[in-house]
Amino acid sequence: AQSVTQLGSHVSVSEGALVLLRCNYSSSVPPYLFWYVQYPNQGLQLLLKYTSAATLVKGINGFEAEFKKSETSFHLTKPSAHMSDAAEYFCAVSERGSQGNLIFGKGTKLSVKP
Amino acid sequence: DTAVSQTPKYLVTQMGNDKSIKCEQNLGHDTMYWYKQDSKKFLKIMFSYNNKELIINETVPNRFSPKSPDKAHLNLHINSLELGDSAVYFCASSQGSGDTEAFFGQGTRLTVV
Repeated sequence: AQSVTQLGSHVSVSEGALVLLRCNYSSSVPPYLFWYVQYPNQGLQLLLKYTSAATLVKGINGFEAEFKKSETSFHLTKPSAHMSDAAEYFCAVSERGSQGNLIFGKGTKLSVKP
Repeated sequence: DTAVSQTPKYLVTQMGNDKSIKCEQNLGHDTMYWYKQDSKKFLKIMFSYNNKELIINETVPNRFSPKSPDKAHLNLHINSLELGDSAVYFCASSQGSGDTEAFFGQGTRLTVV
């Protein structure tokens, strides 16, 4: 069965520093890949998605992610963290031919220090 | 104008009660979902409906019964609530293919006491 692994349940960076949140998937057939952000007491908002087009995907709020098939990874990065980036980040996959149901990683909480 | 709306946002109830959570989407999507987020923030799909038909039931206890009166609505009814049902429940909708994003509601925080 498809699974998603997010390394690091909690990542802390200083404001202005690089943000790197890691995500690996398990399928031998590359799935569709998503990053969602959840702010406290809110729903999930899509940051970006990979659907077989360009391997470097740009999303909202300055985030981007690179799909690497050889590493089965889809890590999320942002060059310079902002205080407003503090939130929970979820990597998710959707299998090809599915009805769009998402399989989520366990999430990474991002803290940003002033 | 909220795309996916759920009510109520908070629900506190006693063990053994029956409760419902309502969800509506105005995006014209054919597919709707219920996800459960536990106390450790882990998200897992419970149900998926496509055009009012049940597509996915992820081994959810039969105390949970989704109902879709039309493709814009997917309600969740829970019978005989248990302490372990305490969680945040998210409704979502999408165009129903694997490459399309899901739009999520704000969540319903259910607390069973």
